[in-house]
Amino acid sequence: AQTVTQSQPEMSVQEAETVTLSCTYDTSESDYYLFWYKQPPSRQMILVIRQEAYKQQNATENRFSVNFQKAAKSFSLKISDSQLGDAAMYFCAYRSPLANSKLTFGKGITLSVRP
Amino acid sequence: NAGVTQTPKFRILKIGQSMTLQCAQDMNHNYMYWYRQDPGMGLKLIYYSVGAGITDKGEVPNGYNVSRSTTEDFPLRLELAAPSQTSVYFCASQRDRGLYGYTFGSGTRLTVV
Repeated sequence: AQTVTQSQPEMSVQEAETVTLSCTYDTSESDYYLFWYKQPPSRQMILVIRQEAYKQQNATENRFSVNFQKAAKSFSLKISDSQLGDAAMYFCAYRSPLANSKLTFGKGITLSVRP
Repeated sequence: NAGVTQTPKFRILKIGQSMTLQCAQDMNHNYMYWYRQDPGMGLKLIYYSVGAGITDKGEVPNGYNVSRSTTEDFPLRLELAAPSQTSVYFCASQRDRGLYGYTFGSGTRLTVV
């Protein structure tokens, strides 16, 4: 079974600065999908960014980008120009391309943004 | 707005009581899921369904039951509530396999006392 590890339970960043959230995963599959979800205090889960393993180019969505290192099984999220609204819990998730595949989530990282 | 609707948003149950958490989606998604979220533990899969009439256990199914009689609805039943079931419950749906992520409901915070 695949596992997702987010080893840093909490991080803090100064407003307007850049922060990187780490995620590693364990799998024997060569093709798969990776996701980052944001959960603000409202509790709503919001998809931030996604990556297909067979695509070498790192995904980017506005201020959010990933550093996908397939050989190292690492999928970190970089938030540029951090804003107060970025304060939230962030979850990394893995999905196999197989049928009936489900998302496997890490334990999450709580990000605080200092004004 | 299209999406996943969960009800109720909050509920307090007494030990031994039963209840059903409702989940409905209007996106014609075949795949639906129930997760529970506990502090510091991430999200754990309880049950999932790949289509009407088809359900299967996830990682933590004990104490729960589900049914999927229609594509739209996927209720989660708690029988004989226990304090260990105090959690936040999320329903989610997914269009298909591939790069599509989940669409989540807004969650239900359940407290068993």
